[in-house]
Amino acid sequence: AQSVTQLGSHVSVSEGALVLLRCNYSSSVPPYLFWYVQYPNQGLQLLLKYTTGATLVKGINGFEAEFKKSETSFHLTKPSAHMSDAAEYFCAVSDTGGFKTIFGAGTRLFVKA
Amino acid sequence: DTAVSQTPKYLVTQMGNDKSIKCEQNLGHDTMYWYKQDSKKFLKIMFSYNNKELIINETVPNRFSPKSPDKAHLNLHINSLELGDSAVYFCASSPPQGYNEQFFGPGTRLTVL
Repeated sequence: AQSVTQLGSHVSVSEGALVLLRCNYSSSVPPYLFWYVQYPNQGLQLLLKYTTGATLVKGINGFEAEFKKSETSFHLTKPSAHMSDAAEYFCAVSDTGGFKTIFGAGTRLFVKA
Repeated sequence: DTAVSQTPKYLVTQMGNDKSIKCEQNLGHDTMYWYKQDSKKFLKIMFSYNNKELIINETVPNRFSPKSPDKAHLNLHINSLELGDSAVYFCASSPPQGYNEQFFGPGTRLTVL
């Protein structure tokens, strides 16, 4: 069975500081991994995904994530936080067929001025 | 054009009532989903449909009955509403295969009094 663990339900950074949101997964098959962002009162939208190939993936709004198989991790980073990055972030893992995606519990990112 | 739309956006009702939420996608996707997001932002898959066929039913009470009249629509009917049904319900769609991202609707906030 697949699972996702996001370390830290809340992360607070200062504007301009590094953002690091942690995600570890469990999967018996090569995983498809995703990061989604949810702004208040909205649905989720894709930030980036890893399927195969290059382990460092770049997404929208300056975010990137690195797939590390040996550590079963897919941490999300951004070099410099912006106030507009304040949102809920979800890491997710999908099965091969795509019919069942498991989401982590989410990490709320706060950005201080 | 809205890719995935849901109606209504807000739904307030009494315990014991029956209500429906409608979802439509204009992306031409084969696969559609219903998710429940609780007050702690935890997102859980309820149902997955592919080409109008039910693929995943995640041990959802049978008071919840999804219906897919065609590939572009997936509606959710809930009978005998309970307090614990209060949540935000998200519809999503995607092409088949696990490496594809899901596109989420704006959500329907259901409040059961």
